Amino acid sequence: KAGVTQTPRYLIKTRGQQVTLSCSPISGHRSVSWYQQTPGQGLQFLFEYFSETQRNKGNFPGRFSGRQFSNSRSEMNVSTLELGDSALYLCASSLPGQGFEADTQYFGPGTRLTVL
Amino acid sequence: KQEVTQIPAALSVPEGENLVLNCSFTDSAIYNLQWFRQDPGKGLTSLLLIQSSQREQTSGRLNASLDKSSGRSTLYIAASQPGDSATYLCAVRRDGGYQKVTFGTGTKLQVIP
Repeated sequence: KAGVTQTPRYLIKTRGQQVTLSCSPISGHRSVSWYQQTPGQGLQFLFEYFSETQRNKGNFPGRFSGRQFSNSRSEMNVSTLELGDSALYLCASSLPGQGFEADTQYFGPGTRLTVL
Repeated sequence: KQEVTQIPAALSVPEGENLVLNCSFTDSAIYNLQWFRQDPGKGLTSLLLIQSSQREQTSGRLNASLDKSSGRSTLYIAASQPGDSATYLCAVRRDGGYQKVTFGTGTKLQVIP
């Protein structure tokens, strides 16, 4: 079974631009979560989608948004990029449900975003 | 607000040693706790997940325990190997269903051959 895929793997943008990152979950998984990882703040939760609905949202400004499509693929968008948005953006998928296999989050390799 | 702390932040041990990594959380109303490893520049690999009703989970040389009342989880690694070198992260999902996940600060482990 193919794992979680994220595209692109690396991205360089300049301040003020916007960016869209893509995540394809494991086949059959309906929940997709997004995280930002930086050396200073560690891993921080951005948002979680389930069946095209945003179920949870972390403490990030409105410049960060996302969506999920009917095939469970998800995109996140960051508008008006700032230098502080440079980070590794990770996507994770899960079934979810009850029990070990259903609740386990499987992560993609991440997209490394550099804002100049 | 849930806070998750992992101590120590870094650990260096000789190959073959048994070791314990710690994870502490402030809010005991958790749904589950998951342990991950992360290799440099890579995504996270799931190791073990413990539901709130469970006390421990085992997979190969790994054993994770959970004590909700004291807000602690430990990851035990038996007979450590150089390939175990990575950053280990614990993540807590709040109770109440599909609440957001809070990650710990991580423990960077180095196993010396």
